[in-house]
Amino acid sequence: NAGVTQTPKFRVLKTGQSMTLLCAQDMNHEYMYWYRQDPGMGLRLIHYSVGEGTTAKGEVPDGYNVSRLKKQNFLLGLESAAPSQTSVYFCASSYSYGNTIYFGEGSWLTVV
Amino acid sequence: AQSVTQLGSHVSVSEGALVLLRCNYSSSVPPYLFWYVQYPNQGLQLLLKYTSAATLVKGINGFEAEFKKSETSFHLTKPSAHMSDAAEYFCAVSDRMNTGFQKLVFGTGTRLLVSP
Repeated sequence: NAGVTQTPKFRVLKTGQSMTLLCAQDMNHEYMYWYRQDPGMGLRLIHYSVGEGTTAKGEVPDGYNVSRLKKQNFLLGLESAAPSQTSVYFCASSYSYGNTIYFGEGSWLTVV
Repeated sequence: AQSVTQLGSHVSVSEGALVLLRCNYSSSVPPYLFWYVQYPNQGLQLLLKYTSAATLVKGINGFEAEFKKSETSFHLTKPSAHMSDAAEYFCAVSDRMNTGFQKLVFGTGTRLLVSP
C-alpha cells in the first residue's frame, strides 16, 4: 500500500536549472496538492488539482508550474530555479472536501 | 480566509507528564480541524480530525483534542508523554474556496521535546 509517493527525495540544483518533482498516488483520489514547508512558516499551498486535467494556483504559485495529465500523477515543475525555492516539498491527496489529506514523505530541494 | 495560530514554537515536557499543544483558529463558522504529526525527515501523518460530530476527538497514539467553539480552540492533549512523541505537530483548518476546493491552512507548528 504505497499511498502517496514522491520522487526524487533529495536534489541539489544550480540557480537557473529546471527540474520536475513527480507525485503519484494509488488511492484513486480526485484532489492533489503541492505544498512547500519552510522553517517557522508551516506548510503553504503552491498549486492544487481537483481532477484529471485541472490545475489551479494556491498561495505561493510564482516560479512553479504543474500538470495533471493522469489522475494518479501530479507534477511540479521549476523552470528556472532560484535560491528562494530551497525548501521541502510535500505532495498530498484526498478524496474530496472534508476527507483526510494524505501526504507523501517529502522532497528536499536545495538551490545553490 | 481561515487562519491558525499555534502558541509556542517549542514545548518541553518530561516523560510521563501531560502534553498540551495549543491551537486557535480564526473562523466563527465551525470548520474541519486537523492535527498532524511530523517525525524528523518524514511526511505529515494525521493524528486526528474534527468534522462537527463529537467535540472531543480521539486520535492515534493516545492523543485527543477538544473543539471549543466559544474559544475558537482545538488544543491537543495527551495524559502521559512518551519519548516517542517527540516530533513537530501542526494544527490545520480547512478553508473552502469559492470553487468548492478544500484548502488546508496550517499553523507554523510546535516542536514537542520530551526529556527522560
